[in-house]
Amino acid sequence: DQQVKQNSPSLSVQEGRISILNCDYTNSMFDYFLWYKKYPAEGPTFLISISSIKDKNEDGRFTVFLNKSAKHLSLHIVPSQPGDSAVYFCAAIAGNQFYFGTGTSLTVIP
Amino acid sequence: KAGVTQTPRYLIKTRGQQVTLSCSPISGHRSVSWYQQTPGQGLQFLFEYFSETQRNKGNFPGRFSGRQFSNSRSEMNVSTLELGDSALYLCASSSLTGVTDTQYFGPGTRLTVL
Repeated sequence: DQQVKQNSPSLSVQEGRISILNCDYTNSMFDYFLWYKKYPAEGPTFLISISSIKDKNEDGRFTVFLNKSAKHLSLHIVPSQPGDSAVYFCAAIAGNQFYFGTGTSLTVIP
Repeated sequence: KAGVTQTPRYLIKTRGQQVTLSCSPISGHRSVSWYQQTPGQGLQFLFEYFSETQRNKGNFPGRFSGRQFSNSRSEMNVSTLELGDSALYLCASSSLTGVTDTQYFGPGTRLTVL
């Protein structure tokens, strides 16, 4: 039972444009959400997080939006750069457990 | 500061065998979590150890077990391997007790079961 879902396995965006990665979840007990970025042959690295009491968190080119009523999370990258090409995982925390999505592979085209 | 290290990086086993994977966390980190990554299921939580005690456990069969040593190094064992156990196994360490603390991942161990 996948409690955190990333329905788009891949996304291609032109350099300089906005990348929007989406994530849906089913468990209303999730109280903290994170995005991780993963390059091939490396472990995921933490990117940005948001608490369930907020609806937006921004860090440089990365902004995460949380819509609790829709149980939807999104990551915006503006402007997109070729170095952003990677697999992005969203994750949610309930209690002391992490639940990860299946990942979205982002390709930023120069 | 050295990152999370995992050994071995690649492993090939046959069905029915058992395997032990090792994870050395970042120095000073006391929490180690293990994850299984497969193309269809993404990252799935296996278990977390903190100060040598299993603190959390995911929904995996008892063939998957782990332990943590006093120096925070952790091992994961999979017995009676099945073809479906072929995956990338990642461990992650974090420093404090809070679950929202940033997790630092190792490069993973690629296990292939033939």
